[in-house]
Amino acid sequence: KNEVEQSPQNLTAQEGEFITINCSYSVGISALHWLQQHPGGGIVSLFMLSSGKKKHGRLIATINIQEKHSSLHITASHPRDSAVYICAVRWRDSNYQLIWGAGTKLIIKP
Amino acid sequence: DTGVSQNPRHKITKRGQNVTFRCDPISEHNRLYWYRQTLGQGPEFLTYFQNEAQLEKSRLLSDRFSAERPKGSFSTLEIQRTEQGDSAMYLCASSLAPFDRVNTGELFFGEGSRLTVL
Repeated sequence: KNEVEQSPQNLTAQEGEFITINCSYSVGISALHWLQQHPGGGIVSLFMLSSGKKKHGRLIATINIQEKHSSLHITASHPRDSAVYICAVRWRDSNYQLIWGAGTKLIIKP
Repeated sequence: DTGVSQNPRHKITKRGQNVTFRCDPISEHNRLYWYRQTLGQGPEFLTYFQNEAQLEKSRLLSDRFSAERPKGSFSTLEIQRTEQGDSAMYLCASSLAPFDRVNTGELFFGEGSRLTVL
């Protein structure tokens, strides 16, 4: 069993739909990252959070430490949101280690 | 500051050759990380620097791999005697603070250096 699991692995939706990507983890963490990677491109950090909820524009990230679960939401999705979204957790017992999810490939159709 | 920059962006080489990648982190960041990512997989941790000190190397990093950060600023990752299995995207990231400082420990990634070994 992977220590960080994302679901779904692949998601195709129509423009305008509300998108939810989930991340569950099994280790103790100090923080969780949501990152975005476009095909052939580098990785962009979207959120880093350790509790509650954060919002940037149309993106919302929530985390429930007790349930070891985080969600990334995209409101009013747009084709330019098409990318791989990766959840990575900072392992509490390490100063540097990130444990990565496998990513969720999102395609938004016009 | 334009963020983390990596070069070259793409490198094609023949098996057995040596390659070197460079990463220039955000100037005030004291922490620098190298990751490797193969197609369809998440990034794998390779090594980590705090200032010029290399504090950890993954077991993934064989003896053919060496990384340096001589003045605590830019870093280089060298792969000697490349093998086809080394083909991957090599990602560099930097951060300002330790992970226990949640508000300032955010990671910033470069665009990556894609290596193809023929």
